[in-house]
Amino acid sequence: EAAVTQSPRNKVTVTGGNVTLSCRQTNSHNYMYWYRQDTGHGLRLIHYSYGAGNLQIGDVPDGYKATRTTQEDFFLLLELASPSQTSLYFCASSEEGSAETLYFGSGTRLTVL
Amino acid sequence: GDSVTQTEGLVTLTEGLPVMLNCTYQTIYSNPFLFWYVQHLNESPRLLLKSFTDNKRTEHQGFHATLHKSSSSFHLQKSSAQLSDSALYYCALSGTQVVGQLTFGRGTRLQVYA
Repeated sequence: EAAVTQSPRNKVTVTGGNVTLSCRQTNSHNYMYWYRQDTGHGLRLIHYSYGAGNLQIGDVPDGYKATRTTQEDFFLLLELASPSQTSLYFCASSEEGSAETLYFGSGTRLTVL
Repeated sequence: GDSVTQTEGLVTLTEGLPVMLNCTYQTIYSNPFLFWYVQHLNESPRLLLKSFTDNKRTEHQGFHATLHKSSSSFHLQKSSAQLSDSALYYCALSGTQVVGQLTFGRGTRLQVYA
């Protein structure tokens, strides 16, 4: 079973704050993803990467940056957090692309006051 | 672009009755992959089953689905609901040739009562 670890589990910040969400996978998967989950919208792709140094934009990238520093580590950055970014964030990984099984981390609940 | 439609936001059932969760999709790609992911309360989503073969039934953990390209559908079914089936179910599509772009539907919450 693939292991994807996210930190922190919960985060509270204020409007305009700077937040970094971390994700590490230990199964040598090439692809990593950041999703946000909101009631009524389901899971929406923010950014994804197919290797260290690579970044691809997803469906809802506005207000988010991401960086893949190594094959294992993928970070999501909110440089000027807004209340609309209050959400549950999931990181996921897959061996190859989207036709493969996605393995999700346990999620980070972010609240922007 | 690709899209997935799950028409029911909430399905409520009595234990023992059959389950059917609807999923239709749109893509210009002729060989899409379709998935069902399940998310139990306070857990993360995990794969339930997947298919890319037209008209072939795929089964896992008592659930089954058949990809029908003619109707662009991939409905999830189970013959007899259990209390433990209560969860959020997502249909997802890997359709375009942009590898990595998995599109999820909005999800259907299944609530099974005794």
